[in-house]
Order: sequence, then C-alpha cells, then structure tokens
Amino acid sequence: GENVEQHPSTLSVQEGDSAVIKCTYSDSASNYFPWYKQELGKRPQLIIDIRSNVGEKKDQRIAVTLNKTAKHFSLHITETQPEDSAVYFCAARRVNTGFQKLVFGTGTRLLVSP
Amino acid sequence: DVKVTQSSRYLVKRTGEKVFLECVQDMDHENMFWYRQDPGLGLRLIYFSYDVKMKEKGDIPEGYSVSREKKERFSLILESASTNQTSMYLCASSNSRQGIYGYTFGSGTRLTVV
Repeated sequence: GENVEQHPSTLSVQEGDSAVIKCTYSDSASNYFPWYKQELGKRPQLIIDIRSNVGEKKDQRIAVTLNKTAKHFSLHITETQPEDSAVYFCAARRVNTGFQKLVFGTGTRLLVSP
Repeated sequence: DVKVTQSSRYLVKRTGEKVFLECVQDMDHENMFWYRQDPGLGLRLIYFSYDVKMKEKGDIPEGYSVSREKKERFSLILESASTNQTSMYLCASSNSRQGIYGYTFGSGTRLTVV
C-alpha cells in the first residue's frame, strides 16, 4: 500500500521568509496530493491540492510542486506570516480507480516568528 | 458548506468503560473515516466506511469497532477503554463524486482515559 513520508517534522522561520515542506510517496499509481493545515485546537482544513497531470499549482502565497518521476511533492509558502503557524499534513491517494483512501504524512509543525 | 460534527469536544472516561464517539455529516457523503492523532505520529486511520452498514479496518483497528446504520452517522466504539487510547479522535467524510477528492474533518474529540 501507499506510504507517505514528510519532512521536516518542525520548521521555524522568521516572518517574511519562505517555508518549504517536502513529502515522498511510494505508490507510483497515486495521482492526487492534497495539503491540510491544522491550526492549534482546530480541525485540519484543505488548503491546496494537485493532480498528477500538472507539475505546479499556485494559490496566492502558497504553491505545490509535484515530481512524479521522483515521487515527491512539496508545499511552498512565501512571505510567511504569523498566522501561517500551524501543523501541515501532506497526503496521497489514487483517484478514479475505485475507492482509495488518503494516506497522510506525519505532519510538519511550522512556527513563524514575528 | 460541509459540516462534520463530533458530539463531544472533550471526554474523560475510566479504564474499562465502553465509550461511544459520534460523528454526523450533513452533506450526503458516502465515505466516512475515524482517525486518531498523536504527537509525532500524525493521523492514523482506525476504521472507515464507504457505505451504510459497510466498514473496513484501517491501520490501527485493535481495541475499536464502528457502526454505520445511517449514511450521515458514523460511530466509533471503544469496547473497553484503556489509557493508551487517550488521544485526539478526528472524524472525516468525503464523497465519491467525480472531481471531488478531499476530506472534510470534524473538530475532534479529545479523549482522556484515566
């Protein structure tokens, strides 16, 4: 089955810096890769996702890149702000091949210092 | 806006008690999931269900069971609570419609077993 590894486990940056979180996956048939943000005491929420037919997707200050050959994908946050502080989870799954569940990484705690 | 509601935010139970955690979603989603979240271990799947009365074991089903008698409700049962089941429990749902693959999470139930 699918296995997703996520690094780093913690990341501290200064406000305004960029942050990059990386994930690798094992199942070459996975083709959907979402990222979730979980603020302290709140539920995980989907912030961006990418399908394997594209290499990059952007939404304002966040972007996700995908390298299918290497089986890794990354979350990039530019111009970080204190409200970006949260735990971020990556995930992977197959779609359009019957029921397949998301497999999550272990999470990255991002701390943005003012 | 999809809502996934977990009946309790905080719960304290005694060792050996039978514990019920309830989850209700209001958007007619076919799929429902129970995760536990522990520091450093990320989101681990306990059980999931892709239809009424259907259930599948996840990665850590031992000590748990589930019930899905109605489409909107998915219950997690701890048959005899133990201290190592102290954790944050997250329910999630998703639908199987084409093009929609992400999960929507509930706010979580923090269970303490004493």
